[in-house]
Amino acid sequence: EVQLVQSGPEVRKPGESLKISCQGSGYKFTNYWIGWVRQMPGQGLEWMGIIFLGDSDTRYSPSFQGQVTISADTSINTAYVQWSSLKASDTAIYYCARLSGSYRLNPFDYWGQGTLVTVSS
Amino acid sequence: EIVLTQSPGTLSLSPGERATLSCRASQSVRSSHLAWYQQRPGQAPRLLIYGASTRATGIPDRFSGSGSGTDFTLTINGLEPEDFAVYSCQQYGSSPTFGQGTKVEIK
Repeated sequence: EVQLVQSGPEVRKPGESLKISCQGSGYKFTNYWIGWVRQMPGQGLEWMGIIFLGDSDTRYSPSFQGQVTISADTSINTAYVQWSSLKASDTAIYYCARLSGSYRLNPFDYWGQGTLVTVSS
Repeated sequence: EIVLTQSPGTLSLSPGERATLSCRASQSVRSSHLAWYQQRPGQAPRLLIYGASTRATGIPDRFSGSGSGTDFTLTINGLEPEDFAVYSCQQYGSSPTFGQGTKVEIK
């Protein structure tokens, strides 16, 4: 069974750094892309970026380029998204999700449970 | 960047009725790289439809997708209680984007 399990909720102050994780199981991790999707309170979904676990090829949405860093550690089947300096506007639920194939032009077929990030002074 | 506009924002219907949701793209979506997701309150999204009209694994046949180019539709025939949720379209071309979502609520 394919599963994506995300790290727990986080509370940080503006200006602090943060790295959240997404661990995959039940499939060959390095054959797929993992992506990150933001959902701000009461809002829709926003595609942030994806990483191919076979070679770490990473693509970002123009809206998130330079704002976050997506990475992975294939030895533990885990993908990450990190911020170097959080803002209050980063408060959101962040989902990881797997692209349905090894080609990057695919929808997300499996999703993590979401990680709530709260940034407040 | 392709902007996806979903309408209506909210659809109020009764169980058993048909829901018709629209997703319009600001430019043509290549190769029908258009997906629909369902999101129930407090849950992660779930893939319903990809390739504009292909149901994902395990999705009931009351869900159907259609359209091409810039106009796409998700139809739910005979709403079940568990279908009241938010539905989002996504184009997964070279720079993927999501629509803002349509909420299907109980009338």
